[in-house]
Amino acid sequence: EAGVVQSPRYKIIEKKQPVAFWCNPISGHNTLYWYLQNLGQGPELLIRYENEEAVDDSQLPKDRFSAERLKGVDSTLKIQPAELGDSAVYLCASSLPGRREQFFGPGTRLTVL
Amino acid sequence: GESVGLHLPTLSVQEGDNSIINCAYSNSASDYFIWYKQESGKGPQFIIDIRSNMDKRQGQRVTVLLNKTVKHLSLQIAATQPGDSAVYFCAENTGTASKLTFGTGTRLQVTL
Repeated sequence: EAGVVQSPRYKIIEKKQPVAFWCNPISGHNTLYWYLQNLGQGPELLIRYENEEAVDDSQLPKDRFSAERLKGVDSTLKIQPAELGDSAVYLCASSLPGRREQFFGPGTRLTVL
Repeated sequence: GESVGLHLPTLSVQEGDNSIINCAYSNSASDYFIWYKQESGKGPQFIIDIRSNMDKRQGQRVTVLLNKTVKHLSLQIAATQPGDSAVYFCAENTGTASKLTFGTGTRLQVTL
C-alpha cells in the first residue's frame, strides 16, 4: 500500500512569491492534516479536513495561507506571499475514519530567501 | 497552554543496549499517545501507541509505558541498533481524528 505522497520534496523561493504544496493521502483515509515543522521541533497542526470539509483551521494564518481539498481526496496548501519565517517543513498526514493513528508523508522542505 | 515535552534532548547509547526515551505531558484530558520516529529528511514514522486505559503496551523491540499519575510516558527500545538512530517524538491526542500535540523531540544516537 502506498503511503502519503507529497510534492514537491523541496522548494526554494524568494520572499513575497507564492508557493503551493500538494498531498495525496493513503487510499481510504478520509481525514487529512497539514502540519508545519520547524527545525528541531515537533509538527504543529495547521488544518484538518474530514473529507472535503475543513473542520479545524484555527491554527492556519489565514492572511497568507490557504488550503483546499475539493474532492475529498488530495489537498493543496498555498502560501501567498511567502515570508522568510515560513521556511520550514510542511507535512501532510492522514488517518482512517474513526482511527487516531496518523500517518505522515515525507514532507516538503520550503526555503524562503 | 497545554504542552507535551521531553526530558532529554539527546540520548547516546551503545549498540545492543536498551534505550529509554522519556516524555512528560501536561494535558490531563489526553487519552491517547503515540511515539513517532523521524529520520533525517523523512516524515514522522508511527512506532507504537497507547490509550489511557492501559499502562503498558509492547511491540517489536519497543515498549511504551504510561504513568497517568505523574503524566509521564516512556519509550523503551530493546537491543538498540544503529538503524534506531533518529529523533523520537511523543504526541498526545484528546479526541478521535483531532490534532496531535507534539513535543520537541529527543535525538537518539547509537554508538558502535
